[in-house]
Parts: sequence; structure tokens; C-alpha cells
Amino acid sequence: AQTVTQSQPEMSVQEAETVTLSCTYDTSENNYYLFWYKQPPSRQMILVIRQEAYKQQNATENRFSVNFQKAAKSFSLKISDSQLGDTAMYFCAFMRRNNDMRFGAGTRLTVKP
Amino acid sequence: GAVVSQHPSRVICKSGTSVKIECRSLDFQATTMFWYRQFPKQSLMLMATSNEGSKATYEQGVEKDKFLINHASLTLSTLTVTSAHPEDSSFYICSARDIAGEETQYFGPGTRLLVL
Repeated sequence: AQTVTQSQPEMSVQEAETVTLSCTYDTSENNYYLFWYKQPPSRQMILVIRQEAYKQQNATENRFSVNFQKAAKSFSLKISDSQLGDTAMYFCAFMRRNNDMRFGAGTRLTVKP
Repeated sequence: GAVVSQHPSRVICKSGTSVKIECRSLDFQATTMFWYRQFPKQSLMLMATSNEGSKATYEQGVEKDKFLINHASLTLSTLTVTSAHPEDSSFYICSARDIAGEETQYFGPGTRLLVL
């Protein structure tokens, strides 16, 4: 079974600073996908970034980037130039091809003005 | 972008009644949809995987006779909570996987169910 671990229940960062959210996972698969989703107070799940395990290059989306370490089974999310609107729950997720998604427990991020 | 809708967004019902929640993929086809349940301040827990034209696959511990899932078309899946009780009160979220696109799930906005 695949498990996803987010060891930081809560994090805070000053506006305009950089913050890194950690995520580790456990799997015996070689081909899979990793995601970071954001859930603001509205509770709508929003896709932040996606990584394919067979790609060595770390995914980036504007201010969001990941540090994907396949051997260590680590998938951290870096948010640069944090904005107040980044305040939300962040979930790390693992998905095998054509399979369901497994989520970590989440990290509550607060961006302080 | 891929959009998934859910209806209703919130519902309050009396104990013993049944509630139907709809999940629609608006601009793509989804052979597979997923239903999750989320308790306050917790993560999403997968309840079942819904495949178009076939029976849903339920996760261990989820009662299939209580949570009826129907996936009659490539754009619609429904979850019916039968004989709802207060302990069924929760936030229910669906997601859909685009058959033609990348391996990604797109989520609906969720349905808040309160059973009195």
C-alpha cells in the first residue's frame, strides 16, 4: 500500500518570504505521479503542481516549485514570494497510473502580513 | 481548464431520509470518478472509485448499500446517502480523471451534508 506523510501540521511564513513544505511517500512502484493540492477556506481543492516520477527535472509553476528526490521518496513544495492568498491547507498526494489518489494529512500554511 | 461541478453545495436533511449528490465533468469526459469524504481539519479519505458503465469499487469499511454510486455517463456520477444519520454529516468531494488528458484528478467544490 502507498502511504503519504506530511510531518508538518502547521507552518507560517512572512509575506514575500519563501517556505518549504515537506512530503515523503512510500511505494514499491516505479511509475507514478505526485501532486500538491491547495485547499483554501472555500474547501475547493486546487491543483498547485504535478510531477511525473519518470521525469528527473523538478516541476515548476510560477512561484511554486518542487524538490523531487525519487531515491529518497521525498517531494517537497517550495513557495517563493509568499502571498496572503497562499494561506490554505496544502495536501501532498500520490497516484499510480490509472489508479486512485492517496493524500497526506495536510499542512496548514499561514502567510502573515 | 477542466471543471468539475457538484450539486448541491450544501444540504440539510432529517435523519432517515436519502440524499443524492451529483458530480459532473463539464468540459471533458471522465471514465473514472472518485468520491471522498473529509471531516473537519482532516485529510480526504477515498470512499469509492466510480467507473462509467460498471459497479463502483468501495474502500474497506465503506458500506456500499449505504453509499450508492451510479456512473451512468461519461460526465455524471451520483452518490446517494441512504437512510442518512447524524454520523453521516460530513463534507463530500468528488473528482474526475480526464480520459484524454494527463494523469490528473480535477476536484468538484464539495457538498456539505448536515443530517439532523
